[in-house]
Parts: sequence; C-alpha cells; structure tokens
Amino acid sequence: RKEVEQDPGPFNVPEGATVAFNCTYSNSASQSFFWYRQDCRKEPKLLMSVYSSGNEDGRFTAQLNRASQYISLLIRDSKLSDSATYLCVVNADAGGTSYGKLTFGQGTILTVHP
Amino acid sequence: EAQVTQNPRYLITVTGKKLTVTCSQNMNHEYMSWYRQDPGLGLRQIYYSMNVEVTDKGDVPEGYKVSRKEKRNFPLILESPSPNQTSLYFCASSAGGVPLNTEAFFGQGTRLTVV
Repeated sequence: RKEVEQDPGPFNVPEGATVAFNCTYSNSASQSFFWYRQDCRKEPKLLMSVYSSGNEDGRFTAQLNRASQYISLLIRDSKLSDSATYLCVVNADAGGTSYGKLTFGQGTILTVHP
Repeated sequence: EAQVTQNPRYLITVTGKKLTVTCSQNMNHEYMSWYRQDPGLGLRQIYYSMNVEVTDKGDVPEGYKVSRKEKRNFPLILESPSPNQTSLYFCASSAGGVPLNTEAFFGQGTRLTVV
C-alpha cells in the first residue's frame, strides 16, 4: 500500500462547480498535512496546511480525519485558473529516522473548463 | 526575494557522463531535499539533509550522491547517469527539521534526459 494515496483523476468540471479531492495516508504517526498545487511542468507550491479542526482559505476548505487517516480538499466556485495538479502531502513522525520527511501523493489533476 | 535556485533547468547527457545539478537557497533553511518526479509515480525523495554535513537517503537514493558543505547549497551528483534517471528533479528547502506546518519551497526543476 502506498504511504499517501490520491485519486489521480482527471477531474473535469465547469466553471463555478464545487469539486472535492480525497487523500488517504498509511502512517498513523504522521504529524503534518498539506495540500500543494503544481502547474504543468512547474514546481509545487503550498496551497494550504491542513489542521485537525479543519481550515478554510477563501474558496478552499481542507479537512483532516485522523481516525480514518484521510484528508480532503474542497474547492468551491471553481475558476479556470484552478486547473492544476493538487498534491496531498504528509509529514512523517518527527521522532524517528523519517524526521522532517514529506511524502507526496501522486497528485489529482483538475481541469476547469468554461 | 526568497527562493530556491536550481541549475541547469534542462540537461541532455549521455550514459556514464558524470553530472552535477546545483541547488541553492537564500532563506537560511536547515532542511533541504531532492526529489524526482515521474509520470504515475509522483514525487519521490532521493536524499535529504537536516543541516550542514548531515545527509541521509530518501526513498530512491541509488545512483545519486549529495553533499552539504554549506547551509545554502545542496548539489545532486550523478556519478554515472543511466537512462532510468531521466526525470524531472526538484530541490526543496524548509525551515527546521520539524516542519510542523512549515512550508517547503521548491526550485523550478531540472529536466534531465540521459541517452
């Protein structure tokens, strides 16, 4: 089983749609969780961190369910500019040899069309 | 401007010819790492460094070497490149070895082709 798994998509949605991505992780000792965005052939950039209480940044909402070991990202009112690959990222436990290591999911491709 | 700089951006080389991809960050970050990205496999960590002179293997270290003689630089060395090392490479840095909610900054990537 992969450490971090995502549905690779692609998701094709019209402008204005709401779309949700899910991600599961296998290491129950994982400490930190993030969503990164990657545009075609460019470097990943942090979209948002994911907190246990859930957090929102404008049209983006991230949720974490530690019991089920999954993370979600909800995008409301999709824009053309949201088209990208969304990477689920998990930080392994800080106490062992994987100190500070980020593990990436494969990424979910989103295309927003007019 | 805070940034991670990789060079070169594009490189085509032949099997067996040693090469170095440089990575430099200007944010005084302790933690640096190298990833390769391949279709269907996502980003996989090659090596990481928690501080000067401290490096360790990631998930796919075979065929690669690194060094961390200075805090800002973390070069990736391919002593004898092979075609299966054709990939998109990213260098990343973050503040501290416990990056709880700490952002990782990535370089722009190096697209390497080994023929």
